[in-house]
Amino acid sequence: QSVLTQPPSVSEAPRQRVTISCSGSSSNIGDNAVNWYQQLPGKAPKLLIYYDDLLPSGVSDRFSGSKSGTSASLAISGLQSEDEADYYCAAWDDSLNGWVFGGGTKLTVL
Amino acid sequence: EVQLVESGGGLVKPGGSLRLSCAASGFTFSTYSMNWVRQAPGKGLEWVSSISSSSSYIYYADSVKGRFTISRDNAKNSLYLQMNSLRAEDTAVYYCARDSRWLGNRYFDYWGQGTLVTVSS
Repeated sequence: QSVLTQPPSVSEAPRQRVTISCSGSSSNIGDNAVNWYQQLPGKAPKLLIYYDDLLPSGVSDRFSGSKSGTSASLAISGLQSEDEADYYCAAWDDSLNGWVFGGGTKLTVL
Repeated sequence: EVQLVESGGGLVKPGGSLRLSCAASGFTFSTYSMNWVRQAPGKGLEWVSSISSSSSYIYYADSVKGRFTISRDNAKNSLYLQMNSLRAEDTAVYYCARDSRWLGNRYFDYWGQGTLVTVSS
């Protein structure tokens, strides 16, 4: 049972838009920034979004992040087959004094 | 180019010990906090431990507290994870990850390729 809650899977057709939700609490998302990581099959995780909605250099602007209260979302527009991956949200938790991750969402591009 | 290379994984019996290493290059290691994150087979990511740049601040997940010890050697640009009293549920790929900051908020901007630890009799 992960501290942050994500849907286990989402799917959408190529060129469409999909969103992945991440729900937490006041001690994590409500009080700290949310980061998103992409993990391609068989690869190490890669930073996708940091500080709620900022894109690291080199990350496509088809990816975007947002946060409201104790929830955050990752949106991917113009879906491509190469976007098929697992996506994780993460935040520092002030109560646990540690990082917490969502359970991960597997994206399938139909 | 930032590189993080983990080593030290392998097969160990329950109750045994293992020491993981992470060799860092391409950045000033002594100025960054570092982390260990693990991923059990077919499961999600789980943060294990964090250590500040000068080792002044150390944090552990409850699941490993009292059994694992994180440390670093800034002169050798290396991060370590000493794992004792290993259990089957510690079986996972262990990643080291660099901890960066932006306006006081932190994130893991670089990850190693991971090293597999298997705890089994």
